[in-house]
Amino acid sequence: DIQMTQSPSSLSASVKDRVTITCRASQSISTYLNWYQQKPGKAPKLLIYAASTLQSGIPSRFSGSGSGTDFILTISSLQPEDFATYFCQQSYSAPWTFGQGTKVEIK
Amino acid sequence: EVQLVESGGGLVKPGGSLRLSCAASGFAFSTTRMNWVRQAPGKGLECVSSISYTSSYIYYVESVEGRFTISRDNAQNSLFLQMNSLSAEDTGIYYCASTVMAAGGRGFDFWGQGTLVTVSA
Repeated sequence: DIQMTQSPSSLSASVKDRVTITCRASQSISTYLNWYQQKPGKAPKLLIYAASTLQSGIPSRFSGSGSGTDFILTISSLQPEDFATYFCQQSYSAPWTFGQGTKVEIK
Repeated sequence: EVQLVESGGGLVKPGGSLRLSCAASGFAFSTTRMNWVRQAPGKGLECVSSISYTSSYIYYVESVEGRFTISRDNAQNSLFLQMNSLSAEDTGIYYCASTVMAAGGRGFDFWGQGTLVTVSA
């Protein structure tokens, strides 16, 4: 199975901060990388797929980059509603595995 | 509006069975690959099973192989997960999710609200 490792596991940031979360795959996955946001008690929400394609309805302050094994999710200006847990997922080969999550907390 | 509504979760004893259902609406269910994703309490996400729109491709994570069966009824826009020989490790929220397919990528674009499965004596 392809292992997905996110860093950091958690971070504290302030509103309007620029935030970056990284995700590393244990082998090359081309651009088959997705990012999800999950708030407590809610289902995950797809933010970005194919490494850099913004899902419909997602604000442009979210962006994704990378290919191969290293990927980055960037929030250009953190908003109050962005405090949540973020997961990456590879969809290159089954099982489509997730990273362990990065919790973004208020500083 | 896309809607995925799961049902069928509950409390079951170890070794017991449950059948989860997911009612879909607002999109072309019959041509969409569907998935069950679970999340143990306070833990991460795991794709448990996937099924292609024709049911010709079915995937199970190793830990549920032989115990869980995924199926779908395209005429009724419904997805199912039959879960047998349940153990405490199967406890969690089970989400139904649809798949978006695109050049260079694919992901779970819509999710239900989840149904809680608790396996306990």
